Amino acid sequence: KQEVTQIPAALSVPEGENLVLNCSFTDSAIYNLQWFRQDPGKGLTSLLLIQSSQREQTSGRLNASLDKSSGRSTLYIAASQPGDSATYLCANSQGGSEKLVFGKGTKLTVNP
Amino acid sequence: DTGVSQNPRHKITKRGQNVTFRCDPISEHNRLYWYRQTLGQGPEFLTYFQNEAQLEKSRLLSDRFSAERPKGSFSTLEIQRTEQGDSAMYLCASSSNLAWGMFFGSGTQLSVL
Repeated sequence: KQEVTQIPAALSVPEGENLVLNCSFTDSAIYNLQWFRQDPGKGLTSLLLIQSSQREQTSGRLNASLDKSSGRSTLYIAASQPGDSATYLCANSQGGSEKLVFGKGTKLTVNP
Repeated sequence: DTGVSQNPRHKITKRGQNVTFRCDPISEHNRLYWYRQTLGQGPEFLTYFQNEAQLEKSRLLSDRFSAERPKGSFSTLEIQRTEQGDSAMYLCASSSNLAWGMFFGSGTQLSVL
C-alpha cells in the first residue's frame, strides 16, 4: 500500500526566503507525482506534475524534483511571498489507476 | 465556465439521515473524481468516472455510499444512514484526457450530529 509522507508538517519563514518542502513515498513504482496548494476552506489547486520519466518541472518561482529510486520529491519555492501561505500537498498515482494518494501536507506561513 | 462547482457548500444533518451532494465539473472534462478530506489529513480517493462509467471505487466507499454521473455531465454522491464518522469535506475534481490539470471544487463540508 502506497504511503506518502510530508516533512515538515508546518513551516514559518520570513518573506523573501527560499524554501524546500519534502515528500517521500514508500512504493517507487509511480506513474506521476503532483504538487497541489490548498487555501483554508478551499479545494486544491494543481501546481506541478512530474511524469515518472521526468526528473523535474518548473513553473515561475516553483521547482519540483523527483527521485523515484529514493522515493522522494521536493518542492522548491524561491523568494517566498506572503501570498504563498497555504498548505502544500504532494500526491502520486500508480500505473493503471486514476487514484491519487496524498500526503498530509505542509502548512506554510510566509511572514511579511 | 467558472470551474468545478459543488453544492451545497455546507450540510448539517442528524445521524441516520441520507444526504446527497452535487458536483458540476468543467464542461469539457470527461473525468470526474470524488475525494474525502478530514481536518489535518490529505484527501482520500473515493471514486472515479470517465464519462458516465464509474471505473474505480475505493474500499472506503462502503455500501452506504453511492455515486452516479448520468449522461457524463454532473455527478451526485449520496450517503445513506449517515454516521458521525462521515463528517468530512467532500471534494470533487475534474480533468480532461487532452490536457494536464486536475481542477478541484471548493468542496461540501458535511457535519453529522
